[in-house]
Amino acid sequence: HAGLTQPPSVSKGLRQTATLACTGDSNNVGDQGAAWLQQHQGHPPKLLFYLNGSRPSGISERFSPSRSGNTAFLTITALQPEDEASYYCSPWDKKLNAWLFGGGTKLTVL
Amino acid sequence: EVELVESGGGLVQPGGSLRLSCAASGFGFSGHWMSWVRQAPGKGLEWLANIKQDGSATNYMGSVKGRFTISRDNTKKSLYLQMNNLRAEDTAVYFCVRMPSFDHWGQGTLVTVSS
Repeated sequence: HAGLTQPPSVSKGLRQTATLACTGDSNNVGDQGAAWLQQHQGHPPKLLFYLNGSRPSGISERFSPSRSGNTAFLTITALQPEDEASYYCSPWDKKLNAWLFGGGTKLTVL
Repeated sequence: EVELVESGGGLVQPGGSLRLSCAASGFGFSGHWMSWVRQAPGKGLEWLANIKQDGSATNYMGSVKGRFTISRDNTKKSLYLQMNNLRAEDTAVYFCVRMPSFDHWGQGTLVTVSS
């Protein structure tokens, strides 16, 4: 979606912290925030955080969401090799009456 | 355990039609909104449509509105996507997804639109 921006790639070292951004507008991210999903190559996506910020069971506490204005953030601490994946944000857009997906950020753990 | 199994994908010519199905098990299907999401080869995720628990409300992404129709049969615990007038750019893996917030995904079914 043209109005929802995620950086295409982020690289961080093992055990470092990565913060991934997702920028929308007042009709989507700025209204209710965004859900976050993780996708490993060749697998379906997995939900990390619901739209309301709650964490499904089994998701590591190394992952945490936050929001500032029209930008949502996903922070991953103490990066591990298994965190290498693509991460997608997804807000509901109240003007379009549609779910949006960001273009995804591919996280590389060095 | 929540399970979503898509079927109905395959090779279709441009302008053709396909009907995708999704069999749900392991949860109260009639209590959840459901969505279809697709992913073109090497690309990101694209939400297509969702449908309310009782089927009384639907929403669509702009580019598929009028071509795709989402429906469900709660007695069969099944979700459907009727796709008409298919185009090459509809080539993708199509996922059946439980809502809210896309919390469970099927493995997907591949749709290839090509002559």
